[in-house]
Amino acid sequence: GAGVSQSPSNKVTEKGKDVELRCDPISGHTALYWYRQSLGQGLEFLIYFQGNSAPDKSGLPSDRFSAERTGGSVSTLTIQRTQQEDSAVYLCASSLGRTAAQHFGDGTRLSIL
Amino acid sequence: AQTVTQSQPEMSVQEAETVTLSCTYDTSESDYYLFWYKQPPSRQMILVIRQEAYKQQNATENRFSVNFQKAAKSFSLKISDSQLGDAAMYFCAYRSASSGGSNYKLTFGKGTLLTVNP
Repeated sequence: GAGVSQSPSNKVTEKGKDVELRCDPISGHTALYWYRQSLGQGLEFLIYFQGNSAPDKSGLPSDRFSAERTGGSVSTLTIQRTQQEDSAVYLCASSLGRTAAQHFGDGTRLSIL
Repeated sequence: AQTVTQSQPEMSVQEAETVTLSCTYDTSESDYYLFWYKQPPSRQMILVIRQEAYKQQNATENRFSVNFQKAAKSFSLKISDSQLGDAAMYFCAYRSASSGGSNYKLTFGKGTLLTVNP
């Protein structure tokens, strides 16, 4: 596709379950980012990938959060043992390089019951 | 650390009129970029306009223009001839331009919800 694709669009799960969120960046974009958008905290940076490596994981809120990127393309954000405070919209963005304009997907709305 | 402040949680404007959204930021850096993003209910963040701090000329993009006051650390967005499709949440964002630093990370304000009345 032409833009950043995220799946699922919406995810509802029970507290304590693990979830995986997927991001398919724009073809050729080497940089990929995850952000979290929540009512209380606004938009927060989570992690940055350059190729398959993640030079900056500083925004991951706890060790329950992890992310990987394979083949320099698709990325997966995994949240283990979900808590209610994890409820948020998770946005993925990609760019041609670390300083180029970031293009965002539509996000995944995660709701923890 | 850089911070971005949007002091107007909500704004409204009549269709065809002009509205200005405010943004201030705090940084010790001299070289950086500022952005305005639009987020409609579809959730996708759409880049509206971008300003390089080293450029004195204010950026414009069709009906959208900015008033960049570097000394005052102010970066407001003016929307002229407002249209119903402009209704959205607007976010101001900062990114460092320093080499080797966190020049990939966007720092966002809390957003301003713009309503356009017919």
